[in-house]
Amino acid sequence: EIVLTQSPDFQSVTPKEKVTITCRASRSIGSSLHWYQQKADQSPKLLIKYASQSISGVPSRFSGSGSGTDFTLTINSLEAEDAATYYCHQTGSIAITFGQGTRLEIK
Amino acid sequence: EVQLVETGGGLVQPGGSLRLSCAASDFTVSNNYMIWVRQAPGKGLEWVSVIYSDGTTYYADSVKGRFTISRDNSKNTLSLQMNNLRAEDTAVYYCAGSLSGYYSLDYWGQGARVTVSS
Repeated sequence: EIVLTQSPDFQSVTPKEKVTITCRASRSIGSSLHWYQQKADQSPKLLIKYASQSISGVPSRFSGSGSGTDFTLTINSLEAEDAATYYCHQTGSIAITFGQGTRLEIK
Repeated sequence: EVQLVETGGGLVQPGGSLRLSCAASDFTVSNNYMIWVRQAPGKGLEWVSVIYSDGTTYYADSVKGRFTISRDNSKNTLSLQMNNLRAEDTAVYYCAGSLSGYYSLDYWGQGARVTVSS
């Protein structure tokens, strides 16, 4: 099983800050890495697919990068509505896995 | 607008059974990769089972032999039959679907809550 390790687990940030969340895979997955946002009591929502491909309707302040084992989700100029838990997800193997999540709190 | 709507959640005793359904609109279940993902209270996301467009199915080790994923093409519905339920199966169960060859989960249902308790 491919293990995805996100860092940090929790971050408290102020609006307009730039936030970087990393996701490290236990072995290479190419670009088969996707990012989701889950707000309290809601279903997850796809933010970025295939490491860096943007999704229609997702604000442009969200971007992704990386390949192989190291990936990054960047949120530029954070807004209050970005308070949520963020998950990475790999589909590089049949046994897909998710990262443990990164909770963002807005000060 | 694509919608996935799960039904069938509830309270069940350990050892019991439950069947979840996921009805899709504006999205053809049989043509796409579909998955069940669960989230235990206060925890992260965990995949449960997938079905590919060609009908191939896979299960997480934690549910293998107890859960069965299937689809009804005529009703455009995905199902999850859950047998021999355990307390650790307590979770919100989401169905999700992918339009992409990368298997990113483009669409999610609202979730069905399953509680296994005596």
